[in-house]
Amino acid sequence: EVQLVESGGLLVQPGRSLRLSCAASGFNFDDYAMHWVRQAAGKGLEWVSGISWSGGDTAYADSVKGRFTISRDNAKNSLHLQMKSLTAEDTALYYCVKGLAAITDHFDSWGQGTLVTVSS
Amino acid sequence: ELVLTQSPGTLSLSPGERATLSCRASQSVFSSYLAWYQQKPGQAPRLLLYGASNRATGVPDRFSGSESGTDFTLTISRLEPEDFAVYYCQQSLAFGQGTKVEIK
Repeated sequence: EVQLVESGGLLVQPGRSLRLSCAASGFNFDDYAMHWVRQAAGKGLEWVSGISWSGGDTAYADSVKGRFTISRDNAKNSLHLQMKSLTAEDTALYYCVKGLAAITDHFDSWGQGTLVTVSS
Repeated sequence: ELVLTQSPGTLSLSPGERATLSCRASQSVFSSYLAWYQQKPGQAPRLLLYGASNRATGVPDRFSGSESGTDFTLTISRLEPEDFAVYYCQQSLAFGQGTKVEIK
C-alpha cells in the first residue's frame, strides 16, 4: 500500500523559510515522479512543484518559481520542498503526491498533507 | 498557459440522480493526460479517472468519463450518498477550479 507522510508544516513569519518533507513507502520510489500540491482553506487545488524520478527534471508553478526548491533522496525514499521568502499567499495545506513516469502524468496517490501558515 | 474551466460550480442533486460535470480546456490537450479527482471534506483528493475515461483502482462503474475535442465530462450515473463531494479535473499540471456536488 502506498503511504505518503508529510511533515514540516508550521506557523512561520512572512519572509522566513521552511522545509517540508515527505516519507514515502509501499512502492518503488525511484520509479516515479513526485509532486507537491497545495490547497488554501476553502479553496481549490494548486499544483506547486514536481520532480522526475531521477531528480534531473523539476518544474514549478509561476507563483513559487525562484522561491521554492523541490528535491528528492531516492536512497531514503523522501521528497522535500524548500520554501523561502514565504508570504501569506503561501498559507495552505501542502500535499505530497505520487505521479507516474513523466512529470506531466496524473497523480495516483496523495498524502494527508501538512499545514503551512504564514502569519506575523 | 493551459486553463481548465469546470462547470457548473455547484450541482444540487438528490441521491439516485445522474450527475454531469464538465471540464473545458483552453487549448487542445492530450486526452491521455486528463484526470478527475474526488475530494470529500477533511480528506485528501482521490484519483477517479485518468486518460479521460479509465477508472482508477476501486472506483465504481457508476463513474464514467468522456471527451469531445477540448470538452471533457465526468458522469455519475446514479448518485450514492458517498458521492457528494468536490470534483476536480486536471491536465498537464493544471487543475480546474472544482465542481461541488451537493445534496438537494
